[in-house]
Amino acid sequence: DAKTTQPPSMDCAEGRAANLPCNHSTISGNEYVYWYRQIHSQGPQYIIHGLKNNETNEMASLIITEDRKSSTLILPHATLRDTAVYYCIALYSGGGADGLTFGKGTHLIIQP
Amino acid sequence: NAGVTQTPKFQVLKTGQSMTLQCAQDMNHEYMSWYRQDPGMGLRLIHYSVGAGITDQGEVPNGYNVSRSTTEDFPLRLLSAAPSQTSVYFCASSYVDRGEQYFGPGTRLTVT
Repeated sequence: DAKTTQPPSMDCAEGRAANLPCNHSTISGNEYVYWYRQIHSQGPQYIIHGLKNNETNEMASLIITEDRKSSTLILPHATLRDTAVYYCIALYSGGGADGLTFGKGTHLIIQP
Repeated sequence: NAGVTQTPKFQVLKTGQSMTLQCAQDMNHEYMSWYRQDPGMGLRLIHYSVGAGITDQGEVPNGYNVSRSTTEDFPLRLLSAAPSQTSVYFCASSYVDRGEQYFGPGTRLTVT
């Protein structure tokens, strides 16, 4: 699975959009980009994933650049409950049984 | 659906004691796994299973045993607890696609 790089921390004002970047410059053509988050003391929570096209669900939007070397997770209207560590993971979907490799992620702090 | 459940939530063991951490899921997921998370670190895979009767080692399997007699349950056994096993343990499950995993709330284990 390709290595990903994320900023260690970010702040965002409550009610604003939170944009979390992720670099995955060595991603291969059949690797998906997955996003998880871990709220303090809880288990990680799946957010969204994508391959090439932008994706949106009830939690967030995922924008993947055309060259697929980076992506951005967007929380459109951040709330205090969105304070968490966010992990960007690149992996082959549906293949292999190895676990998810969680790096250090981005600690997103939503400010009131 | 209850999702992924783990028991107990908290446990204190003395060095050398054994115990079993329970994990169950009601989503008919084939894939289940165990991770440990130490302070300030990412999750590390201990053991995983791709279906009933099939288990395999992850990144840090030493000191732990698993079995998978049913689709629903995936217990983790500590054979002889050591202080180095003090950690938070998370169980996760998914369909064959390992990317979208559902995590339990965790078991906080302290070994004295």
